[in-house]
Amino acid sequence: GAVVSQHPSWVICKSGTSVKIECRSLDFQATTMFWYRQFPKQSLMLMATSNEGSKATYEQGVEKDKFLINHASLTLSTLTVTSAHPEDSSFYICSASLRSDRGLGGYTFGSGTRLTVV
Amino acid sequence: LAKTTQPISMDSYEGQEVNITCSHNNIATNDYITWYQQFPSQGPRFIIQGYKTKVTNEVASLFIPADRKSSTLSLPRVSLSDTAVYYCLVGDWTGGFKTIFGAGTRLFVKA
Repeated sequence: GAVVSQHPSWVICKSGTSVKIECRSLDFQATTMFWYRQFPKQSLMLMATSNEGSKATYEQGVEKDKFLINHASLTLSTLTVTSAHPEDSSFYICSASLRSDRGLGGYTFGSGTRLTVV
Repeated sequence: LAKTTQPISMDSYEGQEVNITCSHNNIATNDYITWYQQFPSQGPRFIIQGYKTKVTNEVASLFIPADRKSSTLSLPRVSLSDTAVYYCLVGDWTGGFKTIFGAGTRLFVKA
């Protein structure tokens, strides 16, 4: 089945530094990937849609200059949290879809990245 | 995308059948109903998807009434490992690529 690999699974960084999170589709090509953020005991919040070869589309309220998304190839999207601050500490999850048929059941999610900014 | 409403939490015991209902009054004609499961510190995982009537797979069943304004995820004989958050999503891939998650239902299975 479709597998999405996310790396690293956890990271601790100092306030003011930048952190890059990678999302790879291992056995399929993904022209579109998605990035979510999830705070403890809350639901997933869609941050942006990453499109291969073009600029990402950010959801309202998400700072595009802070959360840099690069979809360099059909199997790799990266999220860089720039100048991280403690309030950026969260669980970041990516997803991609293999299917093009109806419904929303074709999404495969990465295992997530726990970011802690100290 | 149609808005969904689910119970915030549910408790059950091992071996029982658990039914989680999702309301989606504004479901569109082309929308499908999809359920995902999420364990702590993991990404969501697809459980089941349906359009109408009943769908069953090796994990769960999905019941959808004729008006499609609600759906019920049924988990037979739950175990402790079924403790997770369950999300109901309504939409159509061809209508857009966004997957918007509601609050979900936190299921806690007790021994």
